[in-house]
Amino acid sequence: GAVVSQHPSRVICKSGTSVKIECRSLDFQATTMFWYRQFPKQSLMLMATSNEGSKATYEQGVEKDKFLINHASLTLSTLTVTSAHPEDSSFYICSARDRAGAYNEQFFGPGTRLTVL
Amino acid sequence: GQSLEQPSEVTAVEGAIVQINCTYQTSGFYGLSWYQQHDGGAPTFLSYNALDGLEETGRFSSFLSRSDSYGYLLLQELQMKDSASYFCAVRVIMNTGFQKLVFGTGTRLLVSP
Repeated sequence: GAVVSQHPSRVICKSGTSVKIECRSLDFQATTMFWYRQFPKQSLMLMATSNEGSKATYEQGVEKDKFLINHASLTLSTLTVTSAHPEDSSFYICSARDRAGAYNEQFFGPGTRLTVL
Repeated sequence: GQSLEQPSEVTAVEGAIVQINCTYQTSGFYGLSWYQQHDGGAPTFLSYNALDGLEETGRFSSFLSRSDSYGYLLLQELQMKDSASYFCAVRVIMNTGFQKLVFGTGTRLLVSP
């Protein structure tokens, strides 16, 4: 099946620093990738949709200058949390759509747990 | 915007059958998906309905009624490993023509011996 990887799996940083999270589709080409944020015991909230080679589309209420998304290739998207603060601590999950799949399905990465001190 | 409602928690015993309901309000509806998520893990795809009716995949089945904006996930022959959170998610068509998934509130399923 389609595999999506994320790196790092866990990161702890100081307030004010920037953190970059990578998302890769390992065995398929993903023209569309999605970034979600999940707080403990809550649902996944879509942050943005990124299409290869174009600017990301951010959901309402998500600061595009704070959460920088780059989708440079068909297999790689990055999310950079700039000037991170403790309230940005969360579980960040990327997802990639396999357009060749039976259901045009989205597959999810294992997530990155960000802790900002 | 979109809104999806699910029960927050469901409990059942091993071997039983449980149904998790999902009601939704959205524009640009394309289909309803179901995902399972264990604590600390990634969501994994279970089932998808684009048309009304029942889809069966092993022990899991999913149902959709587009006219009622309602669907459910049916889990049969429950096992302890089925204890997890279950999310319904609507696929919606954006103005760009691309699809996105919007997740429901999630249902925590606890299976006891």
